[in-house]
Parts: sequence; structure tokens; C-alpha cells
Amino acid sequence: NAGVTQTPKFRILKIGQSMTLQCTQDMNHNYMYWYRQDPGMGLKLIYYSVGAGITDKGEVPNGYNVSRSTTEDFPLRLELAAPSQTSVYFCASSYSPGLAGEQETQYFGPGTRLLVL
Amino acid sequence: AQKVTQAQTEISVVEKEDVTLDCVYETRDTTYYLFWYKQPPSGELVFLIRRNSFDEQNEISGRYSWNFQKSTSSFNFTITASQVVDSAVYFCALWDSGNTPLVFGKGTRLSVIA
Repeated sequence: NAGVTQTPKFRILKIGQSMTLQCTQDMNHNYMYWYRQDPGMGLKLIYYSVGAGITDKGEVPNGYNVSRSTTEDFPLRLELAAPSQTSVYFCASSYSPGLAGEQETQYFGPGTRLLVL
Repeated sequence: AQKVTQAQTEISVVEKEDVTLDCVYETRDTTYYLFWYKQPPSGELVFLIRRNSFDEQNEISGRYSWNFQKSTSSFNFTITASQVVDSAVYFCALWDSGNTPLVFGKGTRLSVIA
């Protein structure tokens, strides 16, 4: 069980370039999330998904896009990278049984460090 | 609206001291979950504990203990006999049934000095 894996670990982008951050989980979790963490700061939710084919915006979605075609994968797309997107990106997943009031633990990937110059 | 407040931005202690990290939460829901995560200098986020709103029993796991008090909306985390390896940023988080994503506090940076 690898848990949540993310690639790449580190990337440098030039302003205006695009890239996709990959996230895969092998725990059969239905919920997946993308967060960003700026230096010395807490976590901010970018997008999340409650199942394949369903995504929703979080607190800071501008400049990003997501898709969820399978249960396992939840890629994050950056279009036209900007210096403000320099951050560490964390993917997470959790299982929700769909019962009201039930929330399982979110498990996080190791993160992708992105530098936009 | 949900909110998690970790008022202590940074704490420094000398090794073997006990230290308590505070977490105060706000929610209108009666069903909710509270979490603590540890982020060591290596950067990954490590799950420590999950507690639901119907379970007010305190939890002890080795040198770690958690004090959940609904009367004061607090879920404090104590490390007994701290060690250098405890140096990390600790995040408290809240989920309630009215909202899907977790709400995180801003974190407390703990430095344990040898």
C-alpha cells in the first residue's frame, strides 16, 4: 500500500508555462483534495473531489484546474504559471461512507515543491 | 462558519520539558471531527489523531496526550518529556457535517532545544 503518491517532487517553471501535478492513491478513497502551503503558512484548499467525475472549488482555485476521471487519480493543472503559485502542493485523500456525520481521516502525499521564476 | 484557532505561532522548549499546544474551534454543528497533524522539517504531513464530537474521553499515546473539552471548544495537545524529534509544525483541523473539506488552523511551530 503506497498510500498517496505525488509526482514530481520538485519543479521549476518559467512564468507562463503550464504543468500538471500528478496525484494517485491506492486506498480506494472516494474523496481527494489539493492544498497549497506557502512558506511558513498553513494549508489552503484549492480543489477537491467527492468521487470520479465530481470536483468542486476550494478556497483558492484561481489559476488551477482539476479533473477526476478515475477513483485513483486527481491531477492538478496549472495554466500560465505565475510567481504567486510558488508553493508546496499537497494532495490528500479520505474515505467517506456517505453517512451523514461521518468523516474519515485525510492522508497526505509527500508534496510537490514548485518554484515559478 | 467553522474556524480553528491556534493562537501560539511558535513555541520553544528545552528538551524533557512538557509542552501544550492549544487549539480552539468554532462550529454550529453537533457532529464534528477534530484532527491533529504533525509536519516535521522534512515537510510531509503526518496524521496524529482523530476525535469525534461524541467522544470526550482524553487520549494518551505514549508521550502524547489530547484533552478534548466541548465546554470550552478546545482540543489541546500535550507532549510530555519533549524530545528534539518533536520539533515540527503542528496543525489542528476541524470537519463538521455541514462542510466537506477540513478546516485547518494556521499551525504552531514547536522547537525543542537540546
